[in-house]
Amino acid sequence: DIQMTQSPSSLSASVGDRVTITCRASQSISSSLNWYQQKPGQAPTLLIYAASSLQSGVPSRFSGSGFGTDFTLTISSLQPEDFATYYCQQSSSTLWTFGQGTKVEIK
Amino acid sequence: QITLQESGPTLVKPTQTLTLTCTFSGFSLSTSGVGVNWIRQPPGKALEWLALIYGDDAKRYSPSLRSRLTITKDTSKNHVVLTMTNMDPLDTATYYCARSDALPSATYCDYWGQGTLVTVSS
Repeated sequence: DIQMTQSPSSLSASVGDRVTITCRASQSISSSLNWYQQKPGQAPTLLIYAASSLQSGVPSRFSGSGFGTDFTLTISSLQPEDFATYYCQQSSSTLWTFGQGTKVEIK
Repeated sequence: QITLQESGPTLVKPTQTLTLTCTFSGFSLSTSGVGVNWIRQPPGKALEWLALIYGDDAKRYSPSLRSRLTITKDTSKNHVVLTMTNMDPLDTATYYCARSDALPSATYCDYWGQGTLVTVSS
């Protein structure tokens, strides 16, 4: 199995801050990496697919980068509605895996 | 408009078999690259991908749960069914179905159901 490791597991930030979340794959996954946002009590929503493509309707303050084993999700200016848990997910192999999640909390 | 809705029991006993149905609309499983997935999330924990089925009936399963899972489809009813045998309290989770679509570079879940909480308890 391909293991996905996110860091940090949680972070505290203020509105307007730039936030970066990292996801590392246990082996190369090319650009087969997706990012999801999940708010409490809700289903996840797709933010970024194929490492850097912004899903339709997602604000441009969200961006993704990376290739191979190391990937980053960046929120350029954190907004109140962005406080949530973020998950990366690889789809390189036929067996998908998610990271353990990064909870973004209000400082 | 694409929608997915999970249905099934909210409570099952240990050792029983769980059967969940995903009813979808607004897309066709016959479309190339489109699939329906089952993903679960224990309370307070991370997402765990379980299984995927495509329109050509190709199936994928999580290796750790493969022996307990079966995913099937009824294209005429726009249903995808997941069965999980020998349920255990550790299987208590919210179970989601999600549509996936594919590019050459990635496959991703772009539409999700609201999820259904399944509790395993005697």
